[in-house]
Amino acid sequence: NAGVTQTPKFRILKIGQSMTLQCTQDMNHNYMYWYRQDPGMGLKLIYYSVGAGITDKGEVPNGYNVSRSTTEDFPLRLELAAPSQTSVYFCASSYSPGGNYGYTFGSGTRLTVV
Amino acid sequence: AQKVTQAQTEISVVEKEDVTLDCVYETRDTTYYLFWYKQPPSGELVFLIRRNSFDEQNEISGRYSWNFQKSTSSFNFTITASQVVDSAVYFCALTNNNAGNMLTFGGGTRLMVKP
Repeated sequence: NAGVTQTPKFRILKIGQSMTLQCTQDMNHNYMYWYRQDPGMGLKLIYYSVGAGITDKGEVPNGYNVSRSTTEDFPLRLELAAPSQTSVYFCASSYSPGGNYGYTFGSGTRLTVV
Repeated sequence: AQKVTQAQTEISVVEKEDVTLDCVYETRDTTYYLFWYKQPPSGELVFLIRRNSFDEQNEISGRYSWNFQKSTSSFNFTITASQVVDSAVYFCALTNNNAGNMLTFGGGTRLMVKP
């Protein structure tokens, strides 16, 4: 049981480049989330999804896009990368809104934009 | 709107000291869930505890204990006889369990335990 898998673990991007952060879960969870963690700060929600085909913005969505074509996958797309997007990105999933069942986090993707 | 405040950004103790990490939350909901996570230097998030708003019993797990007080909207975390391996960033978080609702994190407290 792999849980939540994020790839890549590390990436360096040049300003203006684009990339997709991959997130896959094998627990059949309906709810999935993308968070970013800036240095020395807490986690902030970028986007979330309550099921396949349904996504919604979180607190800091600008500069990002997501899709949810399957229950398992929730990729995060960065278009025109900027230094402000240098951060650690965490994907998470939950069986329900996570209070009753908690959240499972991936190990994170450390992204540097130079 | 929900908010979680961890006023202590950094705490330094000597091994074997007891230490308490404070967490104060704000929510308008009567049903909510509180969490503590540990983030060691390796960076992953390690789940420590989940507590719902209807259960104010304190909890103890080994050297860890949690004090939940609705009257003061606090969910404090105490480590007894701290060890160097406890050095990490600790996050308090809150969700109200509404459809699609996210986990709201505090800013974290960096705990440094010196030998």
